[in-house]
Amino acid sequence: DVKVTQSSRYLVKRTGEKVFLECVQDMDHENMFWYRQDPGLGLRLIYFSYDVKMKEKGDIPEGYSVSREKKERFSLILESASTNQTSMYLCASSPPDRINYEQYFGPGTRLTVT
Amino acid sequence: AQSVTQLDSQVPVFEEAPVELRCNYSSSVSVYLFWYVQYPNQGLQLLLKYLSGSTLVESINGFEAEFNKSQTSFHLRKPSVHISDTAEYFCAVSAHNTDKLIFGTGTRLQVFP
Repeated sequence: DVKVTQSSRYLVKRTGEKVFLECVQDMDHENMFWYRQDPGLGLRLIYFSYDVKMKEKGDIPEGYSVSREKKERFSLILESASTNQTSMYLCASSPPDRINYEQYFGPGTRLTVT
Repeated sequence: AQSVTQLDSQVPVFEEAPVELRCNYSSSVSVYLFWYVQYPNQGLQLLLKYLSGSTLVESINGFEAEFNKSQTSFHLRKPSVHISDTAEYFCAVSAHNTDKLIFGTGTRLQVFP
């Protein structure tokens, strides 16, 4: 079974803090993704990575950065957290074979910025 | 660019009744289509997908979806729902030349006894 784990289920941070969200997958997948999920807006892609040290902006990258130093780990960084970044953050991974085309999701981290 | 529209944000239904969750997409290129389900307090998991071949695809728990190219739709149906089907359902589209998914805004299916 593919497993995608996220470091925290719930996180509360103060405005201006630097926040790290960690994601680890155990299936040797090349592709990894960070989304945020908001009511009425669905899932929106923040950043994705096709390989170690490679990253590409998604649809809403402003205020975020990412790091992928190892294949299994993809970190989302909020350089200076703001209240409008309060959201559910979902990490996903997928193989590059474009045959199954399935993304595997972690359980999510609900971040509250006060 | 691709986009996905899920017109119904919430669908309430009684147990054992049929249900249809609507999904329409827009794309200038060929696409793959997906339905993901999110049970309460969980991440998303793939329910079913259309990549090629038969336009009718089925899941293991009784859901089915039909790819209709002329109407650019991929509606999800189940003839008889259970309480355990209560969840949020997301339609998603991917162009053939990318690994990125574009998600709809989701439909919350609430099944009542």
